[in-house]
Amino acid sequence: DQQVKQNSPSLSVQEGRISILNCDYTNSMFDYFLWYKKYPAEGPTFLISISSIKDKNEDGRFTVFLNKSAKHLSLHIVPSQPGDSAVYFCAASGSGGSYIPTFGRGTSLIVHP
Amino acid sequence: GAGVSQSPRYKVAKRGQDVALRCDPISGHVSLFWYQQALGQGPEFLTYFQNEAQLDKSGLPSDRFFAERPEGSVSTLKIQRTQQEDSAVYLCASSLVFGLRETQYFGPGTRLLVL
Repeated sequence: DQQVKQNSPSLSVQEGRISILNCDYTNSMFDYFLWYKKYPAEGPTFLISISSIKDKNEDGRFTVFLNKSAKHLSLHIVPSQPGDSAVYFCAASGSGGSYIPTFGRGTSLIVHP
Repeated sequence: GAGVSQSPRYKVAKRGQDVALRCDPISGHVSLFWYQQALGQGPEFLTYFQNEAQLDKSGLPSDRFFAERPEGSVSTLKIQRTQQEDSAVYLCASSLVFGLRETQYFGPGTRLLVL
């Protein structure tokens, strides 16, 4: 049973517009959430994270929103750029148990020029 | 500085063959993780080391999988008697210490294909 779900396998967006990637989780013990970005033939690289004590974290063009009651988080990229085209993984971990992150299946983002 | 490196980048094995995958973490990183990423899936945890101690191997799918980090730096993931279901990308990651908010730095992975 998947504890971290990314229900959209792919997303296509025009350059300059907003990209919104969604992630849902089922384990209420998760209290730290991360987004990783992965280019082909490379390993995932850390993008942004959020603790459960916050509902928003911003880093430049990237903002992560957390809705704990809905067990949902989203990554917003504004404005989207062609270089953002990659697979984005949502991951979650919990201080109450394992620190080791559980990953979703990923969403492939394509930003068209 | 150098990131996490893995070798080989690609490995083709015949079913039943033993393979060894190597990971060189970032120098000074205490924690080292192995993940398995099947096609179309996210990385799944296999095992974790803190220095040379293997503290969690709960994700290893069978006793055919074995990992070691004898001197607390380089790690090797060994798969004995490979099966077709072992075909996946094997990712190694390291972090400075082990903690909830410690960033893991991933290597490029080893793509294993078992025929």
